[in-house]
Amino acid sequence: EVQLVESGGVVVQPGGSLRLSCAASGFTFDDYTMHWVRQAPGKGLEWVSLISWDGGSTYYADSVKGRFTISRDNSKNSLYLQMNSLRTEDTALYYCASLGPYNYWGQGTLVTVSS
Amino acid sequence: AIQMTQSPSSLSASVGDRVTITCRASQGIRNDLGWYQQKPGKAPKLLIYAASSLQSGVPSRFSGSGSGTDFTLTISSLQPEDFATYYCLQDYNYPFTFGPGTKVDIK
Repeated sequence: EVQLVESGGVVVQPGGSLRLSCAASGFTFDDYTMHWVRQAPGKGLEWVSLISWDGGSTYYADSVKGRFTISRDNSKNSLYLQMNSLRTEDTALYYCASLGPYNYWGQGTLVTVSS
Repeated sequence: AIQMTQSPSSLSASVGDRVTITCRASQGIRNDLGWYQQKPGKAPKLLIYAASSLQSGVPSRFSGSGSGTDFTLTISSLQPEDFATYYCLQDYNYPFTFGPGTKVDIK
């Protein structure tokens, strides 16, 4: 059974930092490009970032570029999102996912940025 | 970044109705578009990829069409389990972008 389990979401103050993790199992993790997608409370989906299967290519939404860094450790079947200079508008449920026909999503981890 | 719009933003329909949702891209995206369904408290679920390919396990009442800038998701006969919010996602270029969503609720 495919599983993606996110962790690391907490309440953090504006300007703070946080690292999200996503543990993958049940599929060949290093075959897949992986993504982070977020959803602010009561709002729509926002694509955040992508990393290629080998970590060689990364892309970001304009809203997080320069503040967030995506990475992966294929030896640990894990995906990460380092979030710096957090803003109140970064408050959201953060999903890790593989998109496209082989489409898997976690259940999300909640990040709240508030003073 | 490519902007995605959806219409309508919400609709009310009855079981058995035919429902059509439209997604428009601000520039041509070939057929690099997916459709997702999301129910409250749940992760999104892929319905259609490459604009018209039905994801494995998705009922055949769902279909997608379009290319370039204009795309359509059709539910041929709405079922009770189809009441949800639907999003399009362009994966033509980076950054990927979702449409704002279409909420389908019960009339």
